[in-house]
Amino acid sequence: GESVGLHLPTLSVQEGDNSIINCAYSNSASDYFIWYKQESGKGPQFIIDIRSNMDKRQGQRVTVLLNKTVKHLSLQIAATQPGDSAVYFCAENRGGSYIPTFGRGTSLIVHP
Amino acid sequence: NAGVMQNPRHLVRRRGQEARLRCSPMKGHSHVYWYRQLPEEGLKFMVYLQKENIIDESGMPKERFSAEFPKEGPSILRIQQVVRGDSAAYFCASSRQGAGNEKLFFGSGTQLSVL
Repeated sequence: GESVGLHLPTLSVQEGDNSIINCAYSNSASDYFIWYKQESGKGPQFIIDIRSNMDKRQGQRVTVLLNKTVKHLSLQIAATQPGDSAVYFCAENRGGSYIPTFGRGTSLIVHP
Repeated sequence: NAGVMQNPRHLVRRRGQEARLRCSPMKGHSHVYWYRQLPEEGLKFMVYLQKENIIDESGMPKERFSAEFPKEGPSILRIQQVVRGDSAAYFCASSRQGAGNEKLFFGSGTQLSVL
């Protein structure tokens, strides 16, 4: 399944599928991007980050892709598990700014 | 190594009362950020502080809201004369350096309910 950015706030997938969550950022001067995961009743938790001098970065089961041409960021989760159910936020930092700006978020629901 | 600690977890206030939200950053972190989150929405930046200094308060309402991060003790977000519209989850985050270069570590938040 694939979400079409922040205008589709819910993504439902089956356990074991790959998930892709998209984020359209606003500022072409942004040079640092982070994905956070927020489970119900908890604070956001860091997943993975990427700087603007890269276009791909991989972690454990997660990959972040950055397309600066169209100002698009995506988070790919491989073999999605029920424990991945949460709201996922992308955040961007403008160059020289200390204030991360968060997107609205996408709710990922994983069905067993 | 304890993470970012926020208290209380839940705070109930009547309209007109004061709310005080506390945040102790991670050990070794001197940068603190406060965010507000409404249901089904993202995190809205409020204020960024370093020890004894407010660096950026561009997200703070001009009235009734204040924040501090003293040399000793936790950071405090203070809301005077609360109104129902202040009901939200308030998250604190910290970083070792400014967040322009590194990720934030978040607390579990304080859920403020104004009756």
